[in-house]
This record gives sequence, C-alpha cells and structure tokens, in this order.
Amino acid sequence: KAGVTQTPRYLIKTRGQQVTLSCSPISGHRSVSWYQQTPGQGLQFLFEYFSETQRNKGNFPGRFSGRQFSNSRSEMNVSTLELGDSALYLCATCPGNTGELFFGEGSRLTVL
Amino acid sequence: GENVEQHPSTLSVQEGDSAVIKCTYSDSASNYFPWYKQELGKGPQLIIDIRSNVGEKKDQRIAVTLNKTAKHFSLHITETQPEDSAVYFCAASNQAGTALIFGKGTTLSVSS
Repeated sequence: KAGVTQTPRYLIKTRGQQVTLSCSPISGHRSVSWYQQTPGQGLQFLFEYFSETQRNKGNFPGRFSGRQFSNSRSEMNVSTLELGDSALYLCATCPGNTGELFFGEGSRLTVL
Repeated sequence: GENVEQHPSTLSVQEGDSAVIKCTYSDSASNYFPWYKQELGKGPQLIIDIRSNVGEKKDQRIAVTLNKTAKHFSLHITETQPEDSAVYFCAASNQAGTALIFGKGTTLSVSS
C-alpha cells in the first residue's frame, strides 16, 4: 500500500509568521496533492504536483504556495499567517491509474 | 466551479441497521465520485468509488449509486458495525485522482 509521511505533525505559529510543511510520498510515486481541512469548510483542494510541475490549483490566495522536488518530496508554504489558516493540512499521493488518493495523517497547524 | 452538497451532517444508527448518505454535485463534467472514511487522528481512506459510466457498485456491505441525470450519488452501508463509526466524505472530480471537491462530511455513529 502507498504511504505518505507528513512533518511536522503539530505546530503552533502566531499571526504574521510563515510556515513550511513537508510531505514525502513513498518512493516512486510522483504525484502529490495538498488539502486543507477545517471544521467549517471541510476538505478543500489546495494544489497538485506531478514530476515537479504544478498540475492543478485550488481557489486559495497567493499566500499559499507549494513546490515539489526531484525526489517527489513536496513542501507547502503559507506566508503572513492568519487565524483562519488554523487547520489540518493533508497531503496525498495517487500512485496508479485507479484515481485512489492515499492520504497522510496530516500536519495540524494552530495560528494564535 | 464544482460544488458538492452532502447530507446528513450527522447520522446515528443501531448496530445492524443500514445507513445512507447522499450527495449532490453541480458540474455535469464531473465523472469520478469517490467516498472516503476518516477515523479520528487519521487521514481519509478510500472505501469505494464510482465512475460516470456506471450506475451502481458494491463491495461487501458497502454500495454506491449514481444518478447522472439528477446529479446525485449515495453511499449505502448495510449491517452496520461499531467500527463503521467515522466521518464519511463524498467527492467529485472531472479527472480521477486530482482536484477532488469534497462534501462537508457525515459523522456516522453506530451504537451497539
């Protein structure tokens, strides 16, 4: 089964700071998608990368950005943090042609 | 853009009863409809999916139906068990494996 490792699992920041989250899919899986999960809005698509190229982007402000490295590891960055950015950030990989996404356990960000 | 509505938001059933969760979508171009189960502290996990060229799909106690004309699809769980208790999300996409638009989720509680 595919696996995704996300770090850190928990972090606390203050308004105005920036944060970088990391996602490592299992070796050989080239796609990485990011989702934001909040109680009010549910799961919302942020962006998707495949072989270091952004392939799709959701409807989030420019403060949210991401990138993917040649080893398929991905990072997402949120600048100028706002209280509303507090959420569980989930990373997923889609290893095959079935369309199934394999999610990591997420990085829980709290903005104070 | 696509919008997915999910009902009910909470559902409580007795062990052995059936549970039904319904979703509607807005974009007629959507052709892939997965259902994910999320347990506490974990990322969502795919339990079943259906594509627009199929009207119904079953996997043991779980079934999904799709009505393309009405733009709605439903998850049916029969003979519910306490371990079925979790949050269930429906989703839609016009390309399997990417840019999923999720419903807000249904918290299913199965009491023994």
